[in-house]
Amino acid sequence: NAGVTQTPKFQVLKTGQSMTLQCAQDMNHEYMSWYRQDPGMGLRLIHYSVGAGITDQGEVPNGYNVSRSTTEDFPLRLLSAAPSQTSVYFCASSYSRTSAGELFFGEGSRLTVL
Amino acid sequence: AQKVTQAQTEISVVEKEDVTLDCVYETRDTTYYLFWYKQPPSGELVFLIRRNSFDEQNEISGRYSWNFQKSTSSFNFTITASQVVDSAVYFCALSEAGINDYKLSFGAGTTVTVRA
Repeated sequence: NAGVTQTPKFQVLKTGQSMTLQCAQDMNHEYMSWYRQDPGMGLRLIHYSVGAGITDQGEVPNGYNVSRSTTEDFPLRLLSAAPSQTSVYFCASSYSRTSAGELFFGEGSRLTVL
Repeated sequence: AQKVTQAQTEISVVEKEDVTLDCVYETRDTTYYLFWYKQPPSGELVFLIRRNSFDEQNEISGRYSWNFQKSTSSFNFTITASQVVDSAVYFCALSEAGINDYKLSFGAGTTVTVRA
């Protein structure tokens, strides 16, 4: 089982550039989400989705877009990268509400914005 | 608003010592879930435990144990006879039960270093 797969693992961007972090899961999970991890701040929820075609904002959504056209994929788009978006990004999924909070995480994507 | 506080930033112990990680939470919800996740040096996050707010029984899993005290809003985690492989960042998290139960609020994490 591949689980949750994130690409790329590392990326360096210049301020103002755009990019997409890819996330795919092969567990047929309903729920998918994106978190960012910053030193001393734990993980903060960016966007989440409870199923194909449904997305919503988390705690820190500004500067990011998401879409969920299929159950498997949940890409995160940075529209115009800023140094404040330098972070480690994690995609996570869970089966359904009955497994609330038991998240399966990807390996993370380390993004540096210069 | 929900808030999770892990006051201990870093803990360093010698192998075989016990280590307790503190977690204090704030929520206005009467029902909620509490979690612990582990992030080893390799970087991935691993789910350790979920506890419902109405279940205050302590839980033991091997060398890991959890103490949930609703009266003090705490959900502490103890590693008994620590090993080098326990070196990791440990996160406590909280979610409200119900429609938003999958939206977790994480604490800042506690870095545990176990020295041989």
